[in-house]
Amino acid sequence: DAGVIQSPRHEVTEMGQEVTLRCKPISGHNSLFWYRQTMMRGLELLIYFNNNVPIDDSGMPEDRFSAKMPNASFSTLKIQPSEPRDSAVYFCASSSRDRETQYFGPGTRLLVL
Amino acid sequence: SQQGEEDPQALSIQEGENATMNCSYKTSINNLQWYRQNSGRGLVHLILIRSNEREKHSGRLRVTLDTSKKSSSLLITASRAADTASYFCATQSGGSYIPTFGRGTSLIVHP
Repeated sequence: DAGVIQSPRHEVTEMGQEVTLRCKPISGHNSLFWYRQTMMRGLELLIYFNNNVPIDDSGMPEDRFSAKMPNASFSTLKIQPSEPRDSAVYFCASSSRDRETQYFGPGTRLLVL
Repeated sequence: SQQGEEDPQALSIQEGENATMNCSYKTSINNLQWYRQNSGRGLVHLILIRSNEREKHSGRLRVTLDTSKKSSSLLITASRAADTASYFCATQSGGSYIPTFGRGTSLIVHP
């Protein structure tokens, strides 16, 4: 069974551009999490969906960030406009009904110039 | 602020030695989990221990939990070069399913 799939794996863009990160959770999982990881701040939760509904978005840095989950098999994280301080590795993770163990994707390494 | 804090921040050992990492947390928990992250990869779940458990084993991994001290330790026995990675603890508390991750311990195992 395929794990969590993220695309793209690497993204280099210029300040001000729109960036869209994509995630396909493990089939049958109904919770999805977006994280951001940097050396300075460690692993930060951005947003958590359960059954496609956003439950906690208190970690979303500001209005430039938005996330959607239109169905159980797809989620996007969008940054518009992007800024250099958004450079980080963005992880998507999913979990099953027990919502305990999280399964992480390989991450998207974003560099905003 | 992070709920879990790992100690030490970095650990360097020789292959065959044991590696011990600690995690301290602040509030009551439902469970505590350990994850491993290899360089350039996502986190991988290793083991979960519930608040009513004191010790758990999985292969070469041994996890202990002391709720009175609000701390946990992860022991990797007979370490291998392939164990080189960052190790994170994560806690879940109350009715929240959102895990809180620590900053991690960076382990280097020299062959």
